[in-house]
Amino acid sequence: GIQVEQSPPDLILQEGANSTLRCNFSDSVNNLQWFHQNPWGQLINLFYIPSGTKQNGRLSATTVATERYSLLYISSSQTTDSGVYFCAVANSNSGYALNFGKGTSLLVTP
Amino acid sequence: DADVTQTPRNRITKTGKRIMLECSQTKGHDRMYWYRQDPGLGLRLIYYSFDVKDINKGEISDGYSVSRQAQAKFSLSLESAIPNQTALYFCATSVGTGWGYTFGSGTRLTVV
Repeated sequence: GIQVEQSPPDLILQEGANSTLRCNFSDSVNNLQWFHQNPWGQLINLFYIPSGTKQNGRLSATTVATERYSLLYISSSQTTDSGVYFCAVANSNSGYALNFGKGTSLLVTP
Repeated sequence: DADVTQTPRNRITKTGKRIMLECSQTKGHDRMYWYRQDPGLGLRLIYYSFDVKDINKGEISDGYSVSRQAQAKFSLSLESAIPNQTALYFCATSVGTGWGYTFGSGTRLTVV
């Protein structure tokens, strides 16, 4: 299946700082999504972004499909941004079922 | 009510017991999925279904079986539970080629 590598695995930020999370994948994809898992375990879809750039408030994401990577930007981080961020990808070979990376665990301190 | 509902939320069972985890959805999505999450390993796909008649194995299907009883219901069974199946299990739904993934709240299963 498609290999998904996320970096860094862990990140600690002070409130107000900016950060960039990276996702590399091993094959061409037609679906790429970013998720946030909050400390209570709930998974929230942040972006559907197989290519291009999107922004939603303090979060933005860019996918460069030809180079097989995606970036998630978090600006002016808040303690509520803490949790695990997952990148997930899919293509026809995976039956369009998402393959997940191992995630980046983010802790934002006051 | 939640769009994707998983029951039970928590379950402790003994080794060798059969257990069923249930998932129902009101999204009207045709595709449903079962994932397993272990600490540090992300989510791994167990089974997925495109419709009632189409069931597919995922990355880690051994030891599990599924049933798609209706478009809105997708159940995961552990025929004979073992301790290394202790994990957080998620059901998800989507449309078409995976757009609109929506996850349930998860079932925390402990096998003792």
